[in-house]
Amino acid sequence: KQEVTQIPAALSVPEGENLVLNCSFTDSAIYNLQWFRQDPGKGLTSLLLIQSSQREQTSGRLNASLDKSSGRSTLYIAASQPGDSATYLCAVWISGGYNKLIFGAGTRLAVHP
Amino acid sequence: NAGVTQTPKFQVLKTGQSMTLQCAQDMNHNSMYWYRQDPGMGLRLIYYSASEGTTDKGEVPNGYNVSRLNKREFSLRLESAAPSQTSVYFCASSGGGEQYFGPGTRLTVT
Repeated sequence: KQEVTQIPAALSVPEGENLVLNCSFTDSAIYNLQWFRQDPGKGLTSLLLIQSSQREQTSGRLNASLDKSSGRSTLYIAASQPGDSATYLCAVWISGGYNKLIFGAGTRLAVHP
Repeated sequence: NAGVTQTPKFQVLKTGQSMTLQCAQDMNHNSMYWYRQDPGMGLRLIYYSASEGTTDKGEVPNGYNVSRLNKREFSLRLESAAPSQTSVYFCASSGGGEQYFGPGTRLTVT
């Protein structure tokens, strides 16, 4: 059974720091990995999608990497800002009857001025 | 292009009452999903629809029914609400290997 773990569960940093959020999954038979952001009381916003043939994706100050063989992904946030404060969720796409996403529990990030 | 929309945003029900959560997407996606999100449990899949006219159970389907009315709309029905169904419900659709979420419905059952 696929399980997704995110470390750390919570993180509090001063503005300007570079951050690394970690995601690990138990079964390397995934075909995509997606990172989401969730603000309190809101829905999920897709940040980055890494297809299984890719090693990384970049969007602005965000960079996500994927190593399927070791079952790991990292989300790198450069020069963090208070507006980055949110919960970040990692999810892997698997197939098995139907294609579905398996979510990690998230990393709650607080960036203080 | 509104993406995925959900109604209502908030709802309070008494135990035993019924209600339907509505979801629509305008991205022409075949696949649609209903999740619930609870503290400490993360997001769990309730039901899934691969295409119009088809639905499948997810991880936690008990107490729920769904209808895929057409390609755009996918509704979730609680026939007899229970306090254990207090949660935030998210609808999503997927296309191009990526999933898109609605804003959620916060449901409280007393």
